[in-house]
Amino acid sequence: SQQGEEDPQALSIQEGENATMNCSYKTSINNLQWYRQNSGRGLVHLILIRSNEREKHSGRLRVTLDTSKKSSSLLITASRAADTASYFCASRSGAGSYQLTFGKGTKLSVIP
Amino acid sequence: SQTIHQWPATLVQPVGSPLSLECTVEGTSNPNLYWYRQAAGRGLQLLFYSVGIGQISSEVPQNLSASRPQDRQFILSSKKLLLSDSGFYLCAWSGQDNSPLHFGNGTRLTVT
Repeated sequence: SQQGEEDPQALSIQEGENATMNCSYKTSINNLQWYRQNSGRGLVHLILIRSNEREKHSGRLRVTLDTSKKSSSLLITASRAADTASYFCASRSGAGSYQLTFGKGTKLSVIP
Repeated sequence: SQTIHQWPATLVQPVGSPLSLECTVEGTSNPNLYWYRQAAGRGLQLLFYSVGIGQISSEVPQNLSASRPQDRQFILSSKKLLLSDSGFYLCAWSGQDNSPLHFGNGTRLTVT
């Protein structure tokens, strides 16, 4: 079953604005990951946050994790047209688990 | 550096025909290998994963099968395709420590 659920399903913003995408999950996790997918291509890993971390940064990306609310958010600052893509969260339930459960994704459109 | 190759990129097959999709990984040894399927506008569904040669775990019962004849080769097969098998198939690999997934560029399968 799909554990992660992203919100919103679609987001359209102007270039230069910030984009925030949210993800909720149902069971306890070992880590949560965010991936990006350009249309018709494979997914690319962006960032991983472990269950004992609350915030992580990578370039223009900022990820937060709230295990009490079983939620995570991905913030892209100063968006660019090249950020247009679908973004997925994926959760791994345990350290020994091979199952990485993906949500349905948020489709982000950045208008130049 | 590690690379993953997946082919073909697109495939149109009639109902009842066989299927063989191939995926190979270079630049790493003993990877975990995965087959995912992505329906239009949906998240990713894990179909099979493998932690070693000849070791295949199935997540979803269906008319598809997977094989790992060599350490870095993963094959997705079907003896008789159904209309419902249409979708975007993605191969991925990760390290044995369950590090993030690295995806191929996918195969768009249309069953007519």
